[in-house]
Amino acid sequence: DIVMTQSPESLAVSLGERATINCKSSQNVLFSSNKKNFLAWYQQRPGQPPKLLIYWASTRESGVPDRFSGSGSGTDFTLTISSLQAEDVAVYYCQQYYTIPRTFGQGTKVEIK
Amino acid sequence: EVQLVESGGGLVQPGGSLRLSCTASGFTLSGYWMHWLRQAPGKGPVWVSRMSSDGSTTDYADSVRGRVTISSDDSKNTLYLQMNSLRVEDTAVYYCATTYSSSSGGAFDVWGQGTMVTVS
Repeated sequence: DIVMTQSPESLAVSLGERATINCKSSQNVLFSSNKKNFLAWYQQRPGQPPKLLIYWASTRESGVPDRFSGSGSGTDFTLTISSLQAEDVAVYYCQQYYTIPRTFGQGTKVEIK
Repeated sequence: EVQLVESGGGLVQPGGSLRLSCTASGFTLSGYWMHWLRQAPGKGPVWVSRMSSDGSTTDYADSVRGRVTISSDDSKNTLYLQMNSLRVEDTAVYYCATTYSSSSGGAFDVWGQGTMVTVS
């Protein structure tokens, strides 16, 4: 199984400041034939299911604010919230969809400082 | 509106059985690969099982293989997860999810609200 490791486990950021979350996969999730990284980011608020934010490592889902961005390739990925808003308080997960079983990181809790 | 609604969760004793349901609206289940995932309290989501759009392929996580069966009823536009020999560690919110938009490539862009299963 591909192990997804996120860091940090939690972070507190002031409103309007940048939040950066890292995700490392134990195996490469870049598919050579289409040059796409099979990596997604989700946001989960309390009592809600995960919500897709980013797929193909850097493509924003429709309706997701442009303060959210994803980057990285191969085994190392980053989710950046450029200017934290109150509604961004949540837990964020990375997930690989390169192979079965699909696997998620352990989550990063983002709070307001 | 594309929507998934799970039901069937509840409290069950260890060794017991439950059948979870996931009813789709706004789209036809049989056109999509469908997945079950679960999330224990305070933990991240864990993939459980999937079924291909034509029902010919099913896959299971090692932790549930042999105890769980995924199936569907096209006439009811409903996905099922039959869970037997339940263990305390199966306690979780169970979600069904799918990749509805082909552009998402396999990421889960549609999720249900989940149904809670408590084994105690």
